[in-house]
Amino acid sequence: EPEVTQTPSHQVTQMGQEVILRCVPISNHLYFYWYRQILGQKVEFLVSFYNNEISEKSEIFDDQFSVERPDGSNFTLKIRSTKLEDSAMYFCASRGNGAGWRNEQFFGPGTRLTVL
Amino acid sequence: LAKTTQPISMDSYEGQEVNITCSHNNIATNDYITWYQQFPSQGPRFIIQGYKTKVTNEVASLFIPADRKSSTLSLPRVSLSDTAVYYCLVTGSNNLFFGTGTRLTVIP
Repeated sequence: EPEVTQTPSHQVTQMGQEVILRCVPISNHLYFYWYRQILGQKVEFLVSFYNNEISEKSEIFDDQFSVERPDGSNFTLKIRSTKLEDSAMYFCASRGNGAGWRNEQFFGPGTRLTVL
Repeated sequence: LAKTTQPISMDSYEGQEVNITCSHNNIATNDYITWYQQFPSQGPRFIIQGYKTKVTNEVASLFIPADRKSSTLSLPRVSLSDTAVYYCLVTGSNNLFFGTGTRLTVIP
């Protein structure tokens, strides 16, 4: 069964450093998403991406964040200057091009980001 | 965005049927109801989705009354491996906005 993969599984960084979280969505999917989950809290939407551009972003997704699809397979989330409060699990998700209102998203296993 | 309300936690014994109800009084005409499951340290996983009446798949059933102001996820004969957080989402877009979910604990 196809799945979304994410690397690394755990990233430790110093405050102020840049990090890039990588995702490989399911190969024939066209819609891509990033979510985050702070430990013990709910899953929060960050950004959606389609046709090589951002479709929608949340208030969390400020100028420190950016996304890119550098090639035909990878989808990355960059945090330019990490803050302590960026420590969270980051999930990538992808969705196919199903018609109508079906919106099953397939989530990756997550990258745990720890900012020291 | 329609607000959802569901119990914070539930316990059930193995082999029992579990019903988790979600209230969404402000659901809009374009909204559909989706349930996700999340195990610890894993990403959410789609369970089932519906618009009205009843939907059933190999994992669960979803009951939606005519007014669509609530929905009930039914898990038949739960096992220990069904221990997880279950999220009810109501959305008319393809972006998912999760609430705090219901933590289901299955007891042997």
